[in-house]
Parts: sequence; C-alpha cells; structure tokens
Amino acid sequence: SSELTQDPIVSVALGQTVRIACQGDSLRKFYASWYQQKPGQAPVLVIYGKNNRPSGIPDRFSGSSSGNTTSLTITGAQAEDEADYYCSSRGNRDNRVFGGGTKLTVL
Amino acid sequence: QVQLVESGGGVVQPGMSLRLSCEASGFTFSNYVVHWVRQAPGKGLEWVAVLSYDGTNKLYTDSVRGRFTISRDNSRNTLYLQMDSLRAEDTAVYYCARDRATLTGVSPAFDSWGQGTLVSVSS
Repeated sequence: SSELTQDPIVSVALGQTVRIACQGDSLRKFYASWYQQKPGQAPVLVIYGKNNRPSGIPDRFSGSSSGNTTSLTITGAQAEDEADYYCSSRGNRDNRVFGGGTKLTVL
Repeated sequence: QVQLVESGGGVVQPGMSLRLSCEASGFTFSNYVVHWVRQAPGKGLEWVAVLSYDGTNKLYTDSVRGRFTISRDNSRNTLYLQMDSLRAEDTAVYYCARDRATLTGVSPAFDSWGQGTLVSVSS
C-alpha cells in the first residue's frame, strides 16, 4: 500500500515536546519528508531524509524513524509552530504520497 | 533565490480545459524533477503528477491519469499542467514543487514550492 496515516489532531503545551507520527508500508523502503503549512501559505519543507533540516529551519525540529513509522519531533514547541504538518514519501511506482495531515495546536 | 510562480488558474465549467504554468528561476531548472501538488479547499495535500528533468518520464495519480498532462519546456524554465475534462472534484489550489531527489531516489522531498494557483470547476 502507498498510503500514509497521521493522527488528525495533536496538541502540545508551550515549551514542551511533541511527536507527530506517520505510518505506512512505503516507509520501510523510503525516507519520509515533513512539511509545515500555515493558513493561506504554501507548505514548507522542515525535515527530509534520515534527519536533515533545510537551511533556516530551527533545530528544535527533528526526525526519526523505526519500521513503518516516521516521526517529527518538536522540542520546546513555540507558538509559531502551530500549523498543519504533512508527511510524504515515495510510493511503489515512483509516485509520491502524502499523509492526511496533523493539525498541531500549541496551548 | 529559488522561485516558482504558478499561473493559469481560474473558474471553468465541468468538462472544460485549463492549462497551468509554473515559471522557475534562481536555479538550473533542467537539472530537477518537478511535481504538481494540489489542495482542495479545507483538505490535505494531494500529489498529482511528476516529470523527470528531461521530460521523458512522467507519472500521475490515478484520479487524473488520462485527463491531465504534465510537460516542461526547459528552454523557458517552465512546467505545465494541461487539464482536460475537468470535474468538480478537481477544484483546488495547484502548487508546483521542486524535488531535491531523482525520480527513483530513496530520499525524495519537495524542497521549494510556488505560491499556488486556484482552479475552480463549477457550473
């Protein structure tokens, strides 16, 4: 299957650590990437590969994976981290797939 | 800096056609795999199509295969999406995005995105 599954809603207290998970069979073979999207804006890449951050992404964002699950961790969540987060990976036909997205609320 | 600028969106009736364009600048366009990704109002991201750097390999999501055609003109640094037989369910913001990996890479990622162009299919 090429599907990726995410929890729809996650919340975290300001300054605390939160992990957003993404599950799918393709994650056993291919790395995932993570995107942050704020209302009315285009998505922004925050994590790719084993655990790589593009230039300009704060180091409180990190990635990890185990088996068919990949996770995005925000250590010390800030108010500006409130957004929708999407995982993505490659499918078996060289296509790409997205998870359904996780809405992160910072309390 | 890397920039992707989409255009061509609008309001069309079901069954009609539309062609989207994405003009790239700030990088060597012909060296990159590029994609179209869409987002229906209030919904998540949906991958639509991908095109190899030289235009020879292309893939589509099942719901648009046979109706949409992805193409590129590397001399104009431009990506296109020809959309025929449009349906109400094609209504979405359409983004073009650059891939940092090859078509068959194990670590793909959309590392640059345009601002999107809205396509609305309604009678």
